[in-house]
Amino acid sequence: QVQMVEFGGGVVQPGRSLRLSCAASGFTFRSFGMHWVRQAPGKGLEWMTLISYDGSNKYYADSVKGRFTISRDNSNNTLYLQINSLRAEDTAVYHCARDRGRALLDYWGRGTLVTVSS
Amino acid sequence: DIQMTQSPSSLSASVGDRVTITCRASQSISSYLNWYQQKPGKAPKFLIYAASSLQSGVPSRFSGSGSGTDFTLTINSLQPEDFATYYCQQSFSIPYTFGQGTKLEIK
Repeated sequence: QVQMVEFGGGVVQPGRSLRLSCAASGFTFRSFGMHWVRQAPGKGLEWMTLISYDGSNKYYADSVKGRFTISRDNSNNTLYLQINSLRAEDTAVYHCARDRGRALLDYWGRGTLVTVSS
Repeated sequence: DIQMTQSPSSLSASVGDRVTITCRASQSISSYLNWYQQKPGKAPKFLIYAASSLQSGVPSRFSGSGSGTDFTLTINSLQPEDFATYYCQQSFSIPYTFGQGTKLEIK
């Protein structure tokens, strides 16, 4: 079955960097666009970024443009999110999600928690 | 950016009730409106796409309607497993914004 598992979260000091990973299985990863969506503690969902199936196109929310970089390795069925210059407001659970087409996020991972704190 | 506003923010209902959640877009998004369900500590679940099309496997008690700027999610005959938070999302343009969520609680 379709499954995504995120990892790489943890407690990080402000200003540091972190790379999150999302391991996908149960579908042809290289055929689907992928998103990252985050959720601050007790808050709603916030769309972050999208990468096309082949990695040639990337899109970002203005709030993270320049600090976040999405990438993928289709040979290893893995999605990445590089986060630089971490801020307290980046504290959230980060979910990866599959794009069925037209930004329909049909499968999600449970997420990995990033806590930015000194 | 397109702003998505859901109402109410929270809702109390009983098993067997019919509930309706509203989502309003700050500009027309045609029918590019999707609904998700999330339970605490779980991944969101995709329910409805294109305003009114049910994702495979989603019970028929869920339905969606609307176009342009105003949309609704209706749940008929609430079941215990339906108590969760519901989010709308526009897929009309980037950034693909979500509503703030509606928490459906047991009365």
